[in-house]
Amino acid sequence: KQEVTQIPAALSVPEGENLVLNCSFTDSAIYNLQWFRQDPGKGLTSLLLIQSSQREQTSGRLNASLDKSSGRSTLYIAASQPGDSATYLCAVGGHTGGFKTIFGAGTRLFVKA
Amino acid sequence: SQTIHQWPATLVQPVGSPLSLECTVEGTSNPNLYWYRQAAGRGLQLLFYSVGIGQISSEVPQNLSASRPQDRQFILSSKKLLLSDSGFYLCAWSTRGHSNEQFFGPGTRLTVL
Repeated sequence: KQEVTQIPAALSVPEGENLVLNCSFTDSAIYNLQWFRQDPGKGLTSLLLIQSSQREQTSGRLNASLDKSSGRSTLYIAASQPGDSATYLCAVGGHTGGFKTIFGAGTRLFVKA
Repeated sequence: SQTIHQWPATLVQPVGSPLSLECTVEGTSNPNLYWYRQAAGRGLQLLFYSVGIGQISSEVPQNLSASRPQDRQFILSSKKLLLSDSGFYLCAWSTRGHSNEQFFGPGTRLTVL
């Protein structure tokens, strides 16, 4: 059974700091891994999708990496801004069941001005 | 471009009352559709997914049901709500295939009293 863990659960950093959010998963037989952002009371916004054959994806100040063999992914945010404050969710597209995606509980990020 | 709509945005219902939440997608054809629930302080739980009209797969036994009467319409229902049905309900879509990105709607906040 696939389990997805995100560490830390919450993080508070000063504006301008570079930071790393961690995601680990127990079953390396995955199709993809997706990072989302969720603002309070809102839906999820897709940030980056990494296919199982890829090692990383970049979008602006965001960089996500994937190491299937170790069951790990990181989301790197450069030069953090107060507008980056949100909950960041990692989701693994599973091998079994075809379309099943397993989500982590998220990391709540607060960037202080 | 594709958009996904959910309504209502918020709903307060008494225990034992029926429920109908609707999700529609625009700008794409033959999408995979998903219903998730997010309980307070917890990750997303997949409730149902659909690969086509009338094709529904249930992930967890529960008080809810789903239907897909049209290609881009997905409905979540209950005949009698329970207190434990309270939560944030999110609809999502993806293009066909195992490795494709999921896109989420704005969500419906359901409170059962």
